[in-house]
Amino acid sequence: RKEVEQDPGPFNVPEGATVAFNCTYSNSASQSFFWYRQDCRKEPKLLMSVYSSGNEDGRFTAQLNRASQYISLLIRDSKLSDSATYLCVSHNAGNMLTFGGGTRLMVKP
Amino acid sequence: GAVVSQHPSRVICKSGTSVKIECRSLDFQATTMFWYRQFPKQSLMLMATSNEGSKATYEQGVEKDKFLINHASLTLSTLTVTSAHPEDSSFYICSASSPSLISNQPQHFGDGTRLSIL
Repeated sequence: RKEVEQDPGPFNVPEGATVAFNCTYSNSASQSFFWYRQDCRKEPKLLMSVYSSGNEDGRFTAQLNRASQYISLLIRDSKLSDSATYLCVSHNAGNMLTFGGGTRLMVKP
Repeated sequence: GAVVSQHPSRVICKSGTSVKIECRSLDFQATTMFWYRQFPKQSLMLMATSNEGSKATYEQGVEKDKFLINHASLTLSTLTVTSAHPEDSSFYICSASSPSLISNQPQHFGDGTRLSIL
């Protein structure tokens, strides 16, 4: 079983739609979590951190449920520019990051 | 702040060639640098972790004699793919971190190097 698992998608949604991604993790000792965005042939870029209390940044909302070892990302009012691969990432001891396989989003006009 | 530069961004070379990739932290001292590899439609997989002045720690399945990592200073780490073959073609990404760096993320990534072996 992979340490961080995601549905690979792709999620094909129209502009303006709300889309949600899920992620599960197996290492209960993971210290914190992040969502990264990766465009084709580019390096991953931090989208937002994930907190148990929930974290909202504009159209993006992230949530962590430690009891279920489950992480979510909600994107409201999708834009064409949101098309990318979204990576769920756990942060572990030694400043190590473990990446999920990524969920591909395609927003269409 | 916390800028990481990776060079070159693109390499195309013949099978059997050795390729060196550089990773530099431009505005901070990186005590630890990480090297990742990403194959098409797959996620980033950690290859090795290097601490300045120490031997790199390689992940299971990564050949240390094939992927030579040097981290001789606090701002530079290099990855050399020795005698590269077509199956080594991939996207290689470095990242850097420092316990003294106040940041909203644990690692800062370079732009990546796309390696194609013919």
